[in-house]
Amino acid sequence: DAGVIQSPRHEVTEMGQEVTLRCKPISGHDYLFWYRQTMMRGLELLIYFNNNVPIDDSGMPEDRFSAKMPNASFSTLKIQPSEPRDSAVYFCASSLGGSMGFFGPGTRLTVL
Amino acid sequence: AQTVTQSQPEMSVQEAETVTLSCTYDTSESNYYLFWYKQPPSRQMILVIRQEAYKQQNATENRFSVNFQKAAKSFSLKISDSQLGDTAMYFCALCNFNKFYFGSGTKLNVKP
Repeated sequence: DAGVIQSPRHEVTEMGQEVTLRCKPISGHDYLFWYRQTMMRGLELLIYFNNNVPIDDSGMPEDRFSAKMPNASFSTLKIQPSEPRDSAVYFCASSLGGSMGFFGPGTRLTVL
Repeated sequence: AQTVTQSQPEMSVQEAETVTLSCTYDTSESNYYLFWYKQPPSRQMILVIRQEAYKQQNATENRFSVNFQKAAKSFSLKISDSQLGDTAMYFCALCNFNKFYFGSGTKLNVKP
């Protein structure tokens, strides 16, 4: 298996623009997690899905953030409008059964 | 509340020697999982080792082993025969009810 795939690997955008991050989980995994990593706050869980259904989005910082999982092999995290404080590395992870986390390579987002 | 504490921000070890990274956690749950992840400069989060709380036997993976003390809520990672490629950030993580909680990380430098 290719592991968790994320795109793009790097994104530079200007404040106010919409940003969409994409994730393809490991085939057969039933859990998908979105994390954000910053120097100040470390690794934070934003949202997770089970069988494509959002289970817990309490970590989503505000309404500017939204996540979808239209099918078992694809998820998106959208930020609209983006702000400089959203600059971070965003990780997607997937798991079979929820108690394991295989991470993607991350997307480094820079909002100018 | 679930918390994970790594009290050593940075550590150094000579190549071929043994080093132990500390981690303590707090949870009121009786069934949970503990993990150590490695994050090299590439930013990839790599699963090093996993421990189920209901298992008394300490997990081992080649040169990596843990000392799991459930009553003390301690979960340290021992790296034997340290190699230059072990240089990375190491994160301790607690998982229960499918949510991961990460420590702040320990930066390990392996010196030649």
